[in-house]
Amino acid sequence: GNSVTQMEGPVTLSEEAFLTINCTYTATGYPSLFWYVQYPGEGLQLLLKATKADDKGSNKGFEATYRKETTSFHLEKGSVQVSDSAVYFCALSGSKGYSSASKIIFGSGTRLSIRP
Amino acid sequence: SQTIHQWPATLVQPVGSPLSLECTVEGTSNPNLYWYRQAAGRGLQLLFYSVGIGQISSEVPQNLSASRPQDRQFILSSKKLLLSDSGFYLCAWMAGLTEAFFGQGTRLTVV
Repeated sequence: GNSVTQMEGPVTLSEEAFLTINCTYTATGYPSLFWYVQYPGEGLQLLLKATKADDKGSNKGFEATYRKETTSFHLEKGSVQVSDSAVYFCALSGSKGYSSASKIIFGSGTRLSIRP
Repeated sequence: SQTIHQWPATLVQPVGSPLSLECTVEGTSNPNLYWYRQAAGRGLQLLFYSVGIGQISSEVPQNLSASRPQDRQFILSSKKLLLSDSGFYLCAWMAGLTEAFFGQGTRLTVV
């Protein structure tokens, strides 16, 4: 079945450092890919998404590119801020026409802490 | 615009007591609805999803059940809670394959 694997946390960086959180997936067909962010005590918010190969999702300085050849969707940001401290989840939804199309599968989450 | 309501925000229940968590969606029709659980320090586990009224798919065997009595209402229940049912429960909806929208979550502590 479909699955998502993302790098283990926690990740601790200094402010203005470069961030990469790795995410790879296994899926049938052409899934949509997402990054969600969860701030303490809250639900999840969509950060960015990509719906087809080579698409780049971007938001708030974060970027991720849908790489079908490597089945990856790594999250990057050039200069992190203290306010970026949160848990980040990589996710996919199944391809249209497949029974998995109704499911959203999440990775295990990566906790990011940014030091001032 | 679409909104999702989930309540209560926090709940402390004794072992063996029943549970009912409710989730409602506004501003859309026939959404796919989901219940997730997030155990402390762990990722999101899909518990149930529903593509329509009365249609429930269970992802993992467990002490919980779900029901969808109306198009925009999704209920998570248990007859007798276990300690292991403690966690952060999230309801979500999705229309099409574009993205999921989450409620604010319910933190359940079973004591």
